[in-house]
Amino acid sequence: GAVVSQHPSRVICKSGTSVKIECRSLDFQATTMFWYRQFPKQSLMLMATSNEGSKATYEQGVEKDKFLINHASLTLSTLTVTSAHPEDSSFYICSAKRGGIGRYGYTFGSGTRLTVV
Amino acid sequence: EDKVVQSPLSLVVHEGDTVTLNCSYEVTNFRSLLWYKQEKKAPTFLFMLTSSGIEKKSGRLSSILDKKELFSILNITATQTGDSAVYLCAVDRRDDKIIFGKGTRLHILP
Repeated sequence: GAVVSQHPSRVICKSGTSVKIECRSLDFQATTMFWYRQFPKQSLMLMATSNEGSKATYEQGVEKDKFLINHASLTLSTLTVTSAHPEDSSFYICSAKRGGIGRYGYTFGSGTRLTVV
Repeated sequence: EDKVVQSPLSLVVHEGDTVTLNCSYEVTNFRSLLWYKQEKKAPTFLFMLTSSGIEKKSGRLSSILDKKELFSILNITATQTGDSAVYLCAVDRRDDKIIFGKGTRLHILP
């Protein structure tokens, strides 16, 4: 149980284009999803909290107009990197919180490696 | 400012050795402490600790939390090459945010 699917796993795009990353909870409903960014040999940094049916909450220093988050349903959140630049190249991971505290409190997607050329 | 500090940042040992990974934290609205193993992709869950002094075990891995001293340790006994990974410590806050440490990069030599 508690599976989170993230797509694509890897994407290469040209500078200036936009890239959409999807995060789906497959066997549970997730009212809240989280988006992280991880640079090589660094830890996961929370970018934003995605709330179903309302605006995302962004962490300090994260540009909300550049990293668009949409949480249109209880099982899907999307992160769109707009006008991507090489410095946006990174590993992006989503996680979803299953209701209640327990074994599957937080489940991570498999991550998306974005390379902007 | 909330912070989670892990030590050592990297560790190289031989197969069969026992290792202890450390995690200290200063986090408001603490709910639980989490340990994850990250290999090439997303972290996989290892332990969730909420109470002090109660050891959690899973095979050769075990972990314990000290909420008074604000730290946790992760032990791995009889290490194997498959244990090579980055081990992440994180604190789960009551507002559902997770604060991650930088991780300990563990490499097991055959």
